[in-house]
Amino acid sequence: QSVLTQPPSTSGAPGQRVTISCSGSSSNIGSNYVYWYQQLPGTAPKLLIYKSNQRPSGVPDRFSGSKSGTSASLAISGLRSEDEADYYCAAWDDSLSGSVVFGGGTKLTVL
Amino acid sequence: EVQLVESGGGLVQPGGSLKLSCAASGFTFSVSAIHWVRQASGKGLEWVGRIRSKANTYATSYGASLRGRFTISRDDSKNTAYLQMDSLKTEDTAVYYCARVGATRGLLDYWGQGILVTVAS
Repeated sequence: QSVLTQPPSTSGAPGQRVTISCSGSSSNIGSNYVYWYQQLPGTAPKLLIYKSNQRPSGVPDRFSGSKSGTSASLAISGLRSEDEADYYCAAWDDSLSGSVVFGGGTKLTVL
Repeated sequence: EVQLVESGGGLVQPGGSLKLSCAASGFTFSVSAIHWVRQASGKGLEWVGRIRSKANTYATSYGASLRGRFTISRDDSKNTAYLQMDSLKTEDTAVYYCARVGATRGLLDYWGQGILVTVAS
């Protein structure tokens, strides 16, 4: 049972736009930045979005992040076959002695 | 180029111990917090814990389910962080990643390639 809630799967056709939601609480998303990671099969996670809506250099502008209250979203426009991967949201959680919490991950299938 | 390389994984019996290393290069290791994250086969990411820098008193924190069995340490002179795992259980079987906190990008901006730990008899 993950602290952050993501849909287990989503799909879209090439060229389409998809969004992945990430729901948390006041102790994590509500008071801290959200991070998004892309994990291609058999590889380590890669930072996709940092500080809720910032893209690292090298990440296409087809990827964008947003946050509102205790929820966040990752949007991918102009879907491409190479976007097929698992996507995870993460945030620092201020409860107890502090920890990083992850969403359960969303498997994106490009049809 | 930022690099993190894990080592020390392998097969260990239930109840045993294992110590993973995370060798860093390409950035100022001593000022960076280092986190450990694990992933069981076919499952999602689980935060293991982190160690902060000397300036932050090398403070550590751990995932609730792991507290007391896992210990994170670091040797800034060797640019290496460690994960000591004791009283291992079969459910600790996973790929273990180390990742750093970047000054600009923040949480877990670079990850190692991961190392497999298998706990089985």
